[in-house]
Order: sequence, then structure tokens, then C-alpha cells
Amino acid sequence: GESVGLHLPTLSVQEGDNSIINCAYSNSASDYFIWYKQESGKGPQFIIDIRSNMDKRQGQRVTVLLNKTVKHLSLQIAATQPGDSAVYFCAENTGGTSYGKLTFGQGTILTVHP
Amino acid sequence: ETGVTQTPRHLVMGMTNKKSLKCEQHLGHNAMYWYKQSAKKPLELMFVYNFKEQTENNSVPSRFSPECPNSSHLFLHLHTLQPEDSALYLCASSERGRGSGELFFGEGSRLTVL
Repeated sequence: GESVGLHLPTLSVQEGDNSIINCAYSNSASDYFIWYKQESGKGPQFIIDIRSNMDKRQGQRVTVLLNKTVKHLSLQIAATQPGDSAVYFCAENTGGTSYGKLTFGQGTILTVHP
Repeated sequence: ETGVTQTPRHLVMGMTNKKSLKCEQHLGHNAMYWYKQSAKKPLELMFVYNFKEQTENNSVPSRFSPECPNSSHLFLHLHTLQPEDSALYLCASSERGRGSGELFFGEGSRLTVL
């Protein structure tokens, strides 16, 4: 039979706009939630994380929001640039404090048009 | 040289071949990981080594055999693979006790099994 690959959600924005990427997670016991960015031909790159006892954390041009009630995580990118074009993955860490045992989401393709 | 380096970047092998993937990290980390990224599934954890001891084996078939001779090097030995094992194999490292899940990934080894 024919193999079926992942059909990733896509988000297309204009340069300078704000982007919001969403993710649903499943494990209520996860201690940390993380966002990674993967550019074509490269490995995933850490963007930002948030601990489960927080609901918002800000970084440089990025903000992560955590809603534990509905098990929802989002990544907001301010003033999106063409260099932000990539696949974005959310992940949850179920490895406790010893190491990163990550369960990844399927990813969202972000395309930024100049 | 800095970061996490993986070799080879591309590998084509037959189902009866034996080959190895190599990973080296120059970050002074004590935890190292193998992840599999295929078109059909999200990033999947395969193995975790913490201070050279294997702490996670995510039900990986025995045709994949990891080896961690020291905290800086990680190998994945491959034998009698199947075409469905074709994927991008990513190595990562992290600081011990860094429970946030901030992993540093290499660029991956693209494996094709004929």
C-alpha cells in the first residue's frame, strides 16, 4: 500500500506581522514544555521553554503561553522575519530533572513572505 | 569545533550491511540522545545515555545498537535494517540535571535503506 506521511499544519504570514503557533499536549505530568525550530537541512534548535507552574514566559521576540486547563501551548513570534521560516515543534519533557526525555508534537510549517 | 557533530551526514546501505553513525559533542554535557525523524511520525526518542549509562530505550528494535564510550561520544550501530528504517537520525546532548528539556541537536545523519 501507499505510505502516508505527516501532513503538517502550515502558517503563512507577511514579514513584520506577528505569528502564533499552537500546540495541544497530552501529559498533565510534564514538568517543562519547550519550543524548537528546525530549518531545512538542520537539526532542531531550542527556542524557549516554560515550566508547568507558569502560564507565560517571554524571550527575545518570542512569548510562550501555557494553558494547563485545556492542555494548550502557544508560541508567539513578534515582527516575524523571513529568517523565522522553519518548522516549529512543541515538546513536553517527561524525564524529570535528570535529563530531557522529550515527546514532540508533529510540527507546524511557518512561511514568512517578504 | 563546537556543538554537536554527526557523521556521516548521508548514508545509503543495503539490508544486509552493517554500518555505524557517530556523534560527538564539544559542549561538556553529560547526557546524550538518539532521536529518529521520519516523514511518517513526529520526532521519536530512541535512546538516552546519562553519564555513559543507558537510561532510556524506547522499545527500539535490536537491529539498532547504541554505544556510549564516554560522555562526548555516542554511536548507533546498524545491522540488517529494513527500508522503513530510512529516516533522519538526530543526536543531541544536554547538561545533566537540566530538566527543562533544552537539548542541543546535531544536523543529523540521513539514512536510506535499500
